[in-house]
Amino acid sequence: QVQLQESGPGLVKPSQTLSLTCAVSGYFISNGYYWGWIRQPPGKGLEWIGSIYHRGNTYYNPSLKSRVTISVDTSKNEFSLKLSSLTPEDTAVYYCAKLEYGGFDPWGQGTLVTVSS
Amino acid sequence: EIVLTQSPGTLSLSPGERATLSCRASQTVSSSSLVWYQQKPGQAPRLLIYGASTRATGIPDRFSGSGSGTDFTLTISRLEPEDFAVYYCQHYGSSPPAYSFGQGTKLEIK
Repeated sequence: QVQLQESGPGLVKPSQTLSLTCAVSGYFISNGYYWGWIRQPPGKGLEWIGSIYHRGNTYYNPSLKSRVTISVDTSKNEFSLKLSSLTPEDTAVYYCAKLEYGGFDPWGQGTLVTVSS
Repeated sequence: EIVLTQSPGTLSLSPGERATLSCRASQTVSSSSLVWYQQKPGQAPRLLIYGASTRATGIPDRFSGSGSGTDFTLTISRLEPEDFAVYYCQHYGSSPPAYSFGQGTKLEIK
């Protein structure tokens, strides 16, 4: 079955750029589907960050669009998130997921990113 | 942008009882675009219901979804101990693709 695993730094300084990668196993990204990033601040709800199609078409949350870049590397079977100009409000668990039936399924386990000096 | 409002914020019930969770959209949405998730502490959300009423693979039949237009409901017919969690609804917009979540309903043991 499809499995996703996020990786990246757990601590990033304010004003810096966050880079996360989502490794996909059990399915070749090049075969299709949309893939997405979602985040969840500690104790709060879910926020969609953006999505990418295997051919590279991207769609971003308008509230984050100016700071977000999502890319895909089909040769490595992974997709990535870059979020710039970080502030402490970007502290969250970041999830990657496959898009299915208009929702996200399955999800990675998530990775906690703390923005602090 | 579609805003989803879930109610109640917290629902306190006992095992064996019936749970009814509400999700209201700020404007009429297609039933095919409404999804429900369950999230337990320390875990990623799990897809429960898509298309407003279709259970995802492996989801017990005590979970059911209904609704149309602006009002949608997730019902758990007979609560099991493992059902106490936070539940989120989510809408999928297709032009352009965009996703919005409700703020969640916490289902806690009474």
